[in-house]
Amino acid sequence: GENVEQHPSTLSVQEGDSAVIKCTYSDSASNYFPWYKQELGKRPQLIIDIRSNVGEKKDQRIAVTLNKTAKHFSLHITETQPEDSAVYFCAATKITGNQFYFGTGTSLTVIP
Amino acid sequence: KAGVTQTPRYLIKTRGQQVTLSCSPISGHRSVSWYQQTPGQGLQFLFEYFSETQRNKGNFPGRFSGRQFSNSRSEMNVSTLELGDSALYLCASSLLAGFNTGELFFGEGSRLTVL
Repeated sequence: GENVEQHPSTLSVQEGDSAVIKCTYSDSASNYFPWYKQELGKRPQLIIDIRSNVGEKKDQRIAVTLNKTAKHFSLHITETQPEDSAVYFCAATKITGNQFYFGTGTSLTVIP
Repeated sequence: KAGVTQTPRYLIKTRGQQVTLSCSPISGHRSVSWYQQTPGQGLQFLFEYFSETQRNKGNFPGRFSGRQFSNSRSEMNVSTLELGDSALYLCASSLLAGFNTGELFFGEGSRLTVL
């Protein structure tokens, strides 16, 4: 089955700096890669996703890049703000079902 | 539109007991999946139901089971509870067209503590 590894497990940045979270996956058949944000005590929510036919996707301050050859994808957050503090999960799946494989999460702290 | 609703939100059980958790998906969503969330392990897939049929199952023992009703509501059951079953159980619904993977909408979870 698929195995998703996520690094780092914790990340602290100063407000205004950039944050990068990296994930690798093992199954070359995976073709959909979403990122979820979970604030303390709340439910995970989708913040951005990318499909395998795209190398990069941006949405305001967040972006995701995908390298299919190397089987890794990354989340980039620019101009971080305190409200970006949360746990971020990457995931991988095949677009033939709804079984998602999640990374173990990155706890991001943005220091004001 | 109401979000995904899970009940109960919190429960405490003792080893050997069994528990049933309930999930009501967003209206119109036919896919319901369940995940176990524990510190350091992230979210681990339990199973997914679509139109009352289990389509996918994760690597959990047979003590973990589920079902989906005709109105898309789902239940999961854990029998013979063990201490290691203590976790947050998250339900997620998704609007699917055929077999296209889409956004997961999570509930707030049911936090199970096994003593």
